[in-house]
Amino acid sequence: QVQLVQSGAEVKKPGASVRVSCKASGYTFTSYRISWVRQAPGQGLEWMGWISAYNGNTNYAQKLQGRVTMTTDTPTSTAYMELRSLRSDDTAIYYCARTAVAGDQIDYYYYMDVWGKGTTVTVSS
Amino acid sequence: SSELTQDPAVSVALGQTVRITCQGDSLRNYYANWYRQKPGQAPVLVIYGKNNRPSGIPDRFSGSSSGNTASLTITGAQAEDEADYYCNSRDSSGIHLAFGGGTKLTVL
Repeated sequence: QVQLVQSGAEVKKPGASVRVSCKASGYTFTSYRISWVRQAPGQGLEWMGWISAYNGNTNYAQKLQGRVTMTTDTPTSTAYMELRSLRSDDTAIYYCARTAVAGDQIDYYYYMDVWGKGTTVTVSS
Repeated sequence: SSELTQDPAVSVALGQTVRITCQGDSLRNYYANWYRQKPGQAPVLVIYGKNNRPSGIPDRFSGSSSGNTASLTITGAQAEDEADYYCNSRDSSGIHLAFGGGTKLTVL
């Protein structure tokens, strides 16, 4: 079955970096994008960006530009998200989600149809 | 603040119909998707595009759109539908994606 398995919880100090992994199985990895979405405690969902597993193209949310890097390793069907210069407000659950595109050339849309279980990242001194 | 606006909370009596809305300028051009999230769980896609349901999602869930508003309708709400619901679409730039702030659905 299609699934995304994420790495375990992390505790980091302010200013440090964290890397979260997301291993895909059950589908052709390079046929989809992987989005990263985070959720701070008691808050809503925040889209962080996506990476094309086909060609490595990335699209990052403006507020995270310069602090986030998304990569993939095709032989292992694994996506990675690295966030640098961590602050306390980066404390959140980080989800990866398989992202498909549909529609025509003008109004195409993206949807996230398979999600990992999430990785808790705690930033605390 | 989010580019997509949702009511923070909505309630519905068991078995009745409820509509959850999502407003934003980008919705005039792009379809919205809808996700259900129960406490302690990852989100689950329930509606995508014009009105498509992934396999396993009951047909009581449907989507629609008019102008700058997308709607998720649950016809005959069940107790297990109690959850947070989020809309998502391309943002007004068309380049990035955005989520609405979420709507907490209570089934009475």
